Amino acid sequence: EAQVTQNPRYLITVTGKKLTVTCSQNMNHEYMSWYRQDPGLGLRQIYYSMNVEVTDKGDVPEGYKVSRKEKRNFPLILESPSPNQTSLYFCASRIGQNEQYFGPGTRLTVT
Amino acid sequence: AQSVSQHNHHVILSEAASLELGCNYSYGGTVNLFWYVQYPGQHLQLLLKYFSGDPLVKGIKGFEAEFIKSKFSFNLRKPSVQWSDTAEYFCAVQNQKVTFGTGTKLQVIP
Repeated sequence: EAQVTQNPRYLITVTGKKLTVTCSQNMNHEYMSWYRQDPGLGLRQIYYSMNVEVTDKGDVPEGYKVSRKEKRNFPLILESPSPNQTSLYFCASRIGQNEQYFGPGTRLTVT
Repeated sequence: AQSVSQHNHHVILSEAASLELGCNYSYGGTVNLFWYVQYPGQHLQLLLKYFSGDPLVKGIKGFEAEFIKSKFSFNLRKPSVQWSDTAEYFCAVQNQKVTFGTGTKLQVIP
């Protein structure tokens, strides 16, 4: 089954403790992206990757890192999480300019 | 920089009523436009998309949208909503980056 998977689905952590949210897709999509969803703000793009080893900032990249060493994986790294990064995070992938396929989401709480 | 505006933040309709959700965008080049739907507790799913050609596009579940280039608009419509259409709807502009609107929550009352 074609899908985008994210892990973990739920995470509660403390300020400053580094964490990684994994994202994997099995559709051989070149393009992958991370978003955060906050009430009243919609989805905002954090980082995107056009292909392996090619990443670029979205609209809200501060406090996040990404890497794209393999085509299927696009992890999101929070080196020193802060409470303002409490949010619902979605990973997505696409091919060309077609529609994006979204993962199930990761709900992160930073205390 | 590209941007997307969705002016209706929360819409409440009775079943069988007609729906129109506004979406306006700003971008200087060729755009690819999308409407996604997010049912409660779920991730976003594609409703419909516009790349070029016929400005009236049809999507799933009876939804359609009209691209009006002169107005920079891509409004979503459905002639008769159902309770199961209760969800949040997002308009998006896509090129290398993707910009979403802030979403419209639709509540359909039986």
